[in-house]
Amino acid sequence: DTAVSQTPKYLVTQMGNDKSIKCEQNLGHDTMYWYKQDSKKFLKIMFSYNNKELIINETVPNRFSPKSPDKAHLNLHINSLELGDSAVYFCASSQDAGGHDTQYFGPGTRLTVL
Amino acid sequence: AQKITQTQPGMFVQEKEAVTLDCTYDTSDPSYGLFWYKQPSSGEMIFLIYQGSYDQQNATEGRYSLNFQKARKSANLVISASQLGDSAMYFCAMREYQGGSEKLVFGKGMKLTVNP
Repeated sequence: DTAVSQTPKYLVTQMGNDKSIKCEQNLGHDTMYWYKQDSKKFLKIMFSYNNKELIINETVPNRFSPKSPDKAHLNLHINSLELGDSAVYFCASSQDAGGHDTQYFGPGTRLTVL
Repeated sequence: AQKITQTQPGMFVQEKEAVTLDCTYDTSDPSYGLFWYKQPSSGEMIFLIYQGSYDQQNATEGRYSLNFQKARKSANLVISASQLGDSAMYFCAMREYQGGSEKLVFGKGMKLTVNP
C-alpha cells in the first residue's frame, strides 16, 4: 500500500491554465505539507495543514490554493499557470505538527508549463 | 543565511567502500531535528535517518549512520559498504518550528555516484 500518493505524476499544460494536484495519505497522519523542488533540485516548503487547518503559508503567490477536504487529503490548485511554476511538487505527511516525527514524501508531480 | 549547508556538489565512491556526506547547520533553537533523505533518479524522496538534538547516541539505520557533532553543528551521513543502488541525490534537512507547525529546511543536496 502506498503511504503518500499523488496524482498526476506528470502534468504538462499551457501558460494561463488552471490545474490541480491531488495528494492522499493513508498513514493516519495529522499534518500534511506541500514542497516545491525547482530545476536546481532545491526543495522548499509551500504550505502545511494540520487537521484540515492551514498552519504554514510560506509566501507563496495566491495563485496557489491548497485545499484539505479531510486530514487524509491535501490538494493543490494552481490558477493562471506561469512558466516559473514548472517544478516538481511533493506532498508529505507527518504524525504531529509540533512533535518529533518524520515527514514521509509522496512520489512527486512533475509540472511543466509551456 | 543558509541554515543547511552541503558543500560537496558531487562525490564518487567505489562500490563496497564507505563514504561520508557532509552537512552543517545553523540554528539557535536548542531543540531541533536533522534528517537525511535520498532522491534516486526516479525522483521520490526516501527518508534515511533522523537525529534529534538531545539524542545522546549517534543515529544508525542499517548501513546508514549519522556522525552528529553538536558543538561543530555538523550532521554528516556515513554510508558503509556502498552499493550501486546508493547512487542518488542526498539531502540534509533540519526541522524548524513555525506557527505551531514544523517544516523541513533543506540543503542544496549533493550527488553521489557509486562506481562498480
